[in-house]
Amino acid sequence: EIVLTQSPGTLSLSPGERATLSCRASQTISSSNLAWYQQKPGQAPRVLIYGATSRVTGIPDRFSGSGSGTDFSLTISRLEPEDFAVYYCQHYGGSVLFTFGPGTKVDVK
Amino acid sequence: QVQVQASGPGLVKPSETLSLTCTVSRGSISTYYYSWVRQPAGKGLEWIGRMYTGGNTDYNPSLKSRVTMSIDTSKNQFSLKMTSVTAADTAVYYCARELTSWFDPWGQGTLVTVSS
Repeated sequence: EIVLTQSPGTLSLSPGERATLSCRASQTISSSNLAWYQQKPGQAPRVLIYGATSRVTGIPDRFSGSGSGTDFSLTISRLEPEDFAVYYCQHYGGSVLFTFGPGTKVDVK
Repeated sequence: QVQVQASGPGLVKPSETLSLTCTVSRGSISTYYYSWVRQPAGKGLEWIGRMYTGGNTDYNPSLKSRVTMSIDTSKNQFSLKMTSVTAADTAVYYCARELTSWFDPWGQGTLVTVSS
């Protein structure tokens, strides 16, 4: 089973700052099978990035994904008030077809 | 734009069977995989399983012995049944459409509480 670890658990930043979130896989994975989601309180997750680097239509370009192998990142170039949320990485493949990381909470400093 | 929406009883007694339905609207249910994902309060996301409109299923090995999924293409609906529930199954249950290797869209989720 692929295990995803996200760091940090909580990221405290101010609007306008840059956020860098990490997702590490327990073994090498295909970049094609790595996605990022945003979840706000009381809402369902929303996909932001798929294939590690491809932004979903309608997602602002301040969101970007990068990485390969076991290390992946989601970067928010300048935090807007609506970006404070929990972010999850997700992998497809392996003995458990879909696995999620534990999440990183981005909150207001 | 396709929408999915989960529905079902909000309260289930321990040892009984949880039954949920997901309705696909504004589009055809055909030729996609659909998954169930759950989230206990304040915790992360757990994939339960998926079903293809052709009938193929894949389940999370940790839940496989208790989970059954089915689909009714004539109603644009797919369903989840989970037997022998315990308090550990209390969660918000989401249905979602699978696109290659990610989920979009997600339904708004339905809270299921297991309690006597």
